[in-house]
Amino acid sequence: DGGITQSPKYLFRKEGQNVTLSCEQNLNHDAMYWYRQDPGQGLRLIYYSQIVNDFQKGDIAEGYSVSREKKESFPLTVTSAQKNPTAFYLCASSIGIRGRVVDTGELFFGEGSRLTVL
Amino acid sequence: AQKVTQAQTEISVVEKEDVTLDCVYETRDTTYYLFWYKQPPSGELVFLIRRNSFDEQNEISGRYSWNFQKSTSSFNFTITASQVVDSAVYFCALSEAESGGYQKVTFGTGTKLQVIP
Repeated sequence: DGGITQSPKYLFRKEGQNVTLSCEQNLNHDAMYWYRQDPGQGLRLIYYSQIVNDFQKGDIAEGYSVSREKKESFPLTVTSAQKNPTAFYLCASSIGIRGRVVDTGELFFGEGSRLTVL
Repeated sequence: AQKVTQAQTEISVVEKEDVTLDCVYETRDTTYYLFWYKQPPSGELVFLIRRNSFDEQNEISGRYSWNFQKSTSSFNFTITASQVVDSAVYFCALSEAESGGYQKVTFGTGTKLQVIP
């Protein structure tokens, strides 16, 4: 089945530790995204990538880092610099600007990773 | 700057009642897309509908219907004869093209719907 796989689903870490969340897609999409969800705040964009080896900061990139070495993979690292890392993290993909079909912004989401920092 | 407002934070209805979820958006572009997503307790956002700015025709899909009115910048979502399985958080979203063709998506804060049996 085509889709987006995020792992782990639940993660507990001590304060000051870096954590990497995995996101893999087999939809052949060029664009991938990371969102953070906090209660009552909707989804906020952390980073996005339109193409392999390129990525851009979103609205709340501070304390996070990403890489895009392969089209299928877009891991997110929550660093110790992130002041309030406890949240629900969602990875998404879309066709992207290089697709033969117009990218309308329709997003395909993974099941999310819930990070709790103790 | 684009903005999406979902003023209803939480709604509770009794099963079989109709319910409307409101969405108001702001944009300076003439070309844009509007979406509704459903987030069940499992966490994954599920796409429900997409509308482009040039198509104001209302849409019905089973018990779901959407009312798009450009004059009031609204894209409301109605569930008819609600069921317990409709309990979820619903997000409205707006997509606009940025420089380079990137589609920037802005989400509302979501409306939590609880359908009571």
